[in-house]
Amino acid sequence: KQEVTQIPAALSVPEGENLVLNCSFTDSAIYNLQWFRQDPGKGLTSLLLIQSSQREQTSGRLNASLDKSSGRSTLYIAASQPGDSATYLCAVYSSNTGKLIFGQGTTLQVKP
Amino acid sequence: SAVISQKPSRDICQRGTSLTIQCQVDSQVTMMFWYRQQPGQSLTLIATANQGSEATYESGFVIDKFPISRPNLTFSTLTVSNMSPEDSSIYLCSVQSQVQFFGPGTRLTVL
Repeated sequence: KQEVTQIPAALSVPEGENLVLNCSFTDSAIYNLQWFRQDPGKGLTSLLLIQSSQREQTSGRLNASLDKSSGRSTLYIAASQPGDSATYLCAVYSSNTGKLIFGQGTTLQVKP
Repeated sequence: SAVISQKPSRDICQRGTSLTIQCQVDSQVTMMFWYRQQPGQSLTLIATANQGSEATYESGFVIDKFPISRPNLTFSTLTVSNMSPEDSSIYLCSVQSQVQFFGPGTRLTVL
């Protein structure tokens, strides 16, 4: 059974810091991995999608990496801003079940 | 990309009543997904809804409690039946087109 774990559960940093959010998954049989952002009480916004054949994707200040063999992904946020404060969710699309499996999320607070 | 809207955005309901949540997509999609996010938790898939067939429910979710309609390729409804306080959650509709897109969610509080 695919399980997705995100560490840390919460993170508080001062504005301007570079930071890394971690995601691990137990089954390497995945089509892709997706990072989402969720603001309090809101739906999810897709940030980055990495196909299983890719190693990383970049969008602006965000960079996501994927190491399928070790079951890990990281989301790197450069020069963090207070507007980055949100919960970040990692999800893998399991090729065994055809379903999107979510981690518990990392709640990020960037202090001005 | 896909733009998804949900109605209502939030509601407060009495225990024992039912609420129907609507999901509208701006393009035709084969599969629509319904998720639940309980307070402080991540997302759990409730069911997958294909147009023209019965929805497929995940373990722990049953049709009598969460009936789903899928009358066409752009619309679906999820009903939360005979509600209890444990049903208080955010309910999210989702579609997949390479990337998975989510609606804004319906925040349900059951008293």
